[in-house]
Amino acid sequence: GIQVEQSPPDLILQEGANSTLRCNFSDSVNNLQWFHQNPWGQLINLFYIPSGTKQNGRLSATTVATERYSLLYISSSQTTDSGVYFCAGMTTDSWGKLQFGAGTQVVVTP
Amino acid sequence: NAGVMQNPRHLVRRRGQEARLRCSPMKGHSHVYWYRQLPEEGLKFMVYLQKENIIDESGMPKERFSAEFPKEGPSILRIQQVVRGDSAAYFCASSPPEGLGQPQHFGDGTRLSIL
Repeated sequence: GIQVEQSPPDLILQEGANSTLRCNFSDSVNNLQWFHQNPWGQLINLFYIPSGTKQNGRLSATTVATERYSLLYISSSQTTDSGVYFCAGMTTDSWGKLQFGAGTQVVVTP
Repeated sequence: NAGVMQNPRHLVRRRGQEARLRCSPMKGHSHVYWYRQLPEEGLKFMVYLQKENIIDESGMPKERFSAEFPKEGPSILRIQQVVRGDSAAYFCASSPPEGLGQPQHFGDGTRLSIL
């Protein structure tokens, strides 16, 4: 299966700061999703973004499919942004199997 | 709310007992997936089902674990003779029947604790 690498593994931000999280894939993916796992363990869908750029409020994501990476931008961070951010991808050879990265642990301090 | 529904949210079992986890997909979704998240780890694929069919169970442990998605009713993940190492969060996801290129929508998970 594909390898998914996320960086950085940990991130500490002061409220109001901006940040960029990265996800690299070892192979081309046809399904790429970003998730936020909040401190209560719930997994929140952020973006479905196999290619291109999308924005949702203070969050945006860009996937460059030809170069096998995706970026998640958090602007004007708030304490509620704390949690673990996962990216996950799927290839045509592994239909149905989302392969998750190890996540980026984000802590936003007041 | 037409989201993916999992129950129970928390389940406590003693070693050797059976655990049954339920998942009702989003309305109109016919594909169901189960993932396991061990403590301090990411999610790992377990099994992919469509109605009455197991499509891919390559991530399921060979023993004690089984899954089904009957024609009527929720999908069930069953763990027999649970052991301490089965303690984890189990997430279910669903997607529409249109095939490739559809996002998976996740439920809130079931936290399984083995005493």
